Amino acid sequence: DAKTTQPNSMESNEEEPVHLPCNHSTISGTDYIHWYRQLPSQGPEYVIHGLTSNVNNRMASLAIAEDRKSSTLILHRATLRDAAVYYCILRDAGNQFYFGTGTSLTVIP
Amino acid sequence: GAGVSQSPSNKVTEKGKDVELRCDPISGHTALYWYRQSLGQGLEFLIYFQGNSAPDKSGLPSDRFSAERTGGSVSTLTIQRTQQEDSAVYLCASSARQYNQPQHFGDGTRLSIL
Repeated sequence: DAKTTQPNSMESNEEEPVHLPCNHSTISGTDYIHWYRQLPSQGPEYVIHGLTSNVNNRMASLAIAEDRKSSTLILHRATLRDAAVYYCILRDAGNQFYFGTGTSLTVIP
Repeated sequence: GAGVSQSPSNKVTEKGKDVELRCDPISGHTALYWYRQSLGQGLEFLIYFQGNSAPDKSGLPSDRFSAERTGGSVSTLTIQRTQQEDSAVYLCASSARQYNQPQHFGDGTRLSIL
């Protein structure tokens, strides 16, 4: 049970913003929303996480819907190095992570 | 500082053999996870260790799979009597105890069963 739904793939032009959506309609009140990305032949890399409020860090921003049933990862200016598979994950109080199949992001020069 | 280290990075073995995969987590991280990733697929949870608590083995696909964590640090994932469907990348991750903390992943062991 992945508990999250993401588009299989997306494309973006280089230096333009990218909005990666995620649906998690069965989220519980204590689930944190985490985003990871995975480059070829590497393990996943942590990007950002949040609970209710929008979050910003040096890599990205996370916008969380008011009802928490969806969220959006925002890359403000896509670069070629951002091409990766992006996973939206829920983490519950039992410390489990539920990975879906992710969104494969292609960045077009 | 040092990240999560996994060894070997690649392993090729014959069907029916046993294999051991090793994970060195980040120092001080009490939580350790094993995942399996088949080609082109997402991550499949296998097992989770938290401190001295009994591990969560709910993701292990069969009794041929087992894992241990010695001294709350290094972990070994063992696959007995390997089958071709066991071919995958096996990923290890660790995190601090607090449940809102991120996981840090190793680069995995690519296991190929001939």
